[in-house]
Amino acid sequence: AQSVTQLDSHVSVSEGTPVLLRCNYSSSYSPSLFWYVQHPNKGLQLLLKYTSAATLVKGINGFEAEFKKSETSFHLTKPSAHMSDAAEYFCVVTSSGGSYIPTFGRGTSLIVHP
Amino acid sequence: EAQVTQNPRYLITVTGKKLTVTCSQNMNHEYMSWYRQDPGLGLRQIYYSMNVEVTDKGDVPEGYKVSRKEKRNFPLILESPSPNQTSLYFCASSPNPLTSGSPQETQYFGPGTRLLVL
Repeated sequence: AQSVTQLDSHVSVSEGTPVLLRCNYSSSYSPSLFWYVQHPNKGLQLLLKYTSAATLVKGINGFEAEFKKSETSFHLTKPSAHMSDAAEYFCVVTSSGGSYIPTFGRGTSLIVHP
Repeated sequence: EAQVTQNPRYLITVTGKKLTVTCSQNMNHEYMSWYRQDPGLGLRQIYYSMNVEVTDKGDVPEGYKVSRKEKRNFPLILESPSPNQTSLYFCASSPNPLTSGSPQETQYFGPGTRLLVL
């Protein structure tokens, strides 16, 4: 069994300040974790993924995430927010030993103020 | 250009009128899937297919059918749509996790189909 919890439904930041989007997961097997971004009226785009290599994963557009097994977390961060980062972000977990049905979090809406 | 396409992008229909949403990918991917996205619920998988003629239920398959007669196409069929199937639908594809050598593969998403059932 697997599940993912995005701890905040909305996060509001000012342009130029750091971004933190939180994600906790549970999995009976070794997990793979992903962050996707969805801009308004667009499909989903992969930001980054963790698949049991380096625990600190760098993605596109300056985002990165750290896999912390002890905390079962995979939080997404960015040092400095841009207006173009305003979007919906989804944390996703899949498991190597289970079914191939990924589990999506409910999403975190990132709001960036000028 | 590598892409997943869906048609139509927008559809308004009435209860009980059969409809099909098409999905096609040009990346020779074996794995394809359908999701629905509803506010506050994230994406939930409806059906997936590991290869031609191999399909299986996802988390929310009720009221939907799929077929996989060709590798590139994976249509979603609503035999008798109901208002609770009003949603935003996404098709996605990736290399088969069983044969690609990587346990999990990135999924490539289509642009979405917004369906309203009256």
